[in-house]
Amino acid sequence: AQRVTQPEKLLSVFKGAPVELKCNYSYSGSPELFWYVQYSRQRLQLLLRHISRESIKGFTADLNKGETSFHLKKPFAQEEDSAMYYCALKPNQAGTALIFGKGTTLSVSS
Amino acid sequence: EPEVTQTPSHQVTQMGQEVILRCVPISNHLYFYWYRQILGQKVEFLVSFYNNEISEKSEIFDDQFSVERPDGSNFTLKIRSTKLEDSAMYFCASTLGLVDTQYFGPGTRLTVL
Repeated sequence: AQRVTQPEKLLSVFKGAPVELKCNYSYSGSPELFWYVQYSRQRLQLLLRHISRESIKGFTADLNKGETSFHLKKPFAQEEDSAMYYCALKPNQAGTALIFGKGTTLSVSS
Repeated sequence: EPEVTQTPSHQVTQMGQEVILRCVPISNHLYFYWYRQILGQKVEFLVSFYNNEISEKSEIFDDQFSVERPDGSNFTLKIRSTKLEDSAMYFCASTLGLVDTQYFGPGTRLTVL
């Protein structure tokens, strides 16, 4: 079964500390992986996708097919990074559905 | 920057009533989606729509649900006879192509009493 697991419901860090939001997936083929972010009272928006291999707002994520993971990392957290982060999987290019994890709330305090 | 819009932002209805949730996708997009998120749970895919047809649907999308693109701009989700368990946030999304990023609307919070 296709599944995305985000084991942490809440991650609290201090400003300037490194951040790693974990995401593991279950899928037998070659999925496409995404991170979406939802800031307070705003809509879901794409943060990054693995095929573009870019860094957005200092965040990076590497697809590890061996560990079936797509963890989101940032070396130095900022208070404005506080938000809900969702990892999502698209099973294949022919499909349309995104399969989401439950989300992790990141709280960055000073 | 163009955005997906949804109306209303909050809908309260009585159990058994029909509701229609409305979405205006980004104007040149071709693929349209509905997702829902029950409070405290994950965002779940309901249905995708392309070329005036459903292209994919989940097990949640049963006969009580239907989608329509009644004109060139709106994309609607109808729930025929609402149940308490239909209470959720409903998100619309759209993409230009199948491999492109899905852009989400702000959501409609549906409360069934």
